[in-house]
Amino acid sequence: QKEVEQDPGPLSVPEGAIVSLNCTYSNSAFQYFMWYRQYSRKGPELLMYTYSSGNKEDGRFTAQVDKSSKYISLFIRDSQPSDSATYLCATSVRGSNYKLTFGKGTLLTVNP
Amino acid sequence: GEEVAQTPKHLVRGEGQKAKLYCAPIKGHSYVFWYQQVLKNEFKFLISFQNENVFDETGMPKERFSAKCLPNSPCSLEIQATKLEDSAVYFCASSHDRTNLPYEQYFGPGTRLTVT
Repeated sequence: QKEVEQDPGPLSVPEGAIVSLNCTYSNSAFQYFMWYRQYSRKGPELLMYTYSSGNKEDGRFTAQVDKSSKYISLFIRDSQPSDSATYLCATSVRGSNYKLTFGKGTLLTVNP
Repeated sequence: GEEVAQTPKHLVRGEGQKAKLYCAPIKGHSYVFWYQQVLKNEFKFLISFQNENVFDETGMPKERFSAKCLPNSPCSLEIQATKLEDSAVYFCASSHDRTNLPYEQYFGPGTRLTVT
């Protein structure tokens, strides 16, 4: 079992839809949770960063962490064609020398 | 600078040749990380530095891979005697050293290495 599991999709939604992206993880020691957006042939861009459980909101993006079920989510409201990209979740263990463990990414397409 | 810079963008090497990749972290960031992204988006951690000191090298294939971060120079990742399986995109990331901030890693555009 991979430490971080992420449905690769692809996920296709119409413009304006609410998008829900999810990851599950197996290591209960993970405490730091990140979401990255990666456009084709580009580097990952940090979208959201949360520590431990709870919600964090930034504009159209909301990140949720549920440590009891080992489930992390990213919601995108009012999705735009420019949101079309691969979304990667990443986690890290406190005291792990800051190494990130990535999911395999979900390919999202937002259709105009 | 405000972004992580990586050079070159693309590198093609014949099997057995040497490859050298460069990374300039964001100004003021103390940590540098190297990751390898292979097919199907698999990211693999290679090595990290705190300033010019190796911080964690547990992901490095020791026989052929080496890396350095010297003062006032870009960091480098070198692969001696490349193999076909080294074909990947190599990403450099940097982060600040204040509490919890090392987890907030900012990635460069990557170097695509193709070994033929």
